[in-house]
Amino acid sequence: QKEVEQDPGPLSVPEGAIVSLNCTYSNSAFQYFMWYRQYSRKGPELLMYTYSSGNKEDGRFTAQVDKSSKYISLFIRDSQPSDSATYLCARPGGNFGNEKLTFGTGTRLTIIP
Amino acid sequence: GAVVSQHPSWVICKSGTSVKIECRSLDFQATTMFWYRQFPKQSLMLMATSNEGSKATYEQGVEKDKFLINHASLTLSTLTVTSAHPEDSSFYICSVRQPNTEAFFGQGTRLTVV
Repeated sequence: QKEVEQDPGPLSVPEGAIVSLNCTYSNSAFQYFMWYRQYSRKGPELLMYTYSSGNKEDGRFTAQVDKSSKYISLFIRDSQPSDSATYLCARPGGNFGNEKLTFGTGTRLTIIP
Repeated sequence: GAVVSQHPSWVICKSGTSVKIECRSLDFQATTMFWYRQFPKQSLMLMATSNEGSKATYEQGVEKDKFLINHASLTLSTLTVTSAHPEDSSFYICSVRQPNTEAFFGQGTRLTVV
């Protein structure tokens, strides 16, 4: 079983819709998670990171962790064409230390104007 | 956040030749850098961890003699793909992580071996 699993999509939604992106993880000991956005032929950039359970909000983006079901989610409100990208969930090897990241497969998202 | 510069952004080489990719941490002294590979429509897969002043640590299944990593200074790590073949064509990305914070990625290098 992979450490972090993600539906690769692709996912297409109309502009202004709410987008829900999801990942599952295998080890209940994992505490830190990140969401990265990657535009085509570019390196990933960090959107948000979360620790333990609950929600974290940043502008139009909300990250959510459900430890009971080992499920992490990223919600995008009022989606824009500029949000079209691949979204990757990730976890660090250690407790947010100087460790490697393990990524999900990424979900390719297209926002249709 | 840290600024990571990768060069070149795109390279084409002939089969059997070697290609060097540079990763520079412009505003942070990185004792550790990470090299990832990403095939089309797939996620990033860690290839190796580059350690300043010592040997790199390779992930299982990655040939250390084929993918040579040198981390001679706190701001520069290089990845050399030796005797490249078409199956090595991929998107190579480096990253640095400051302790207890996020990872920052280079813009990636697209390698095409013909």
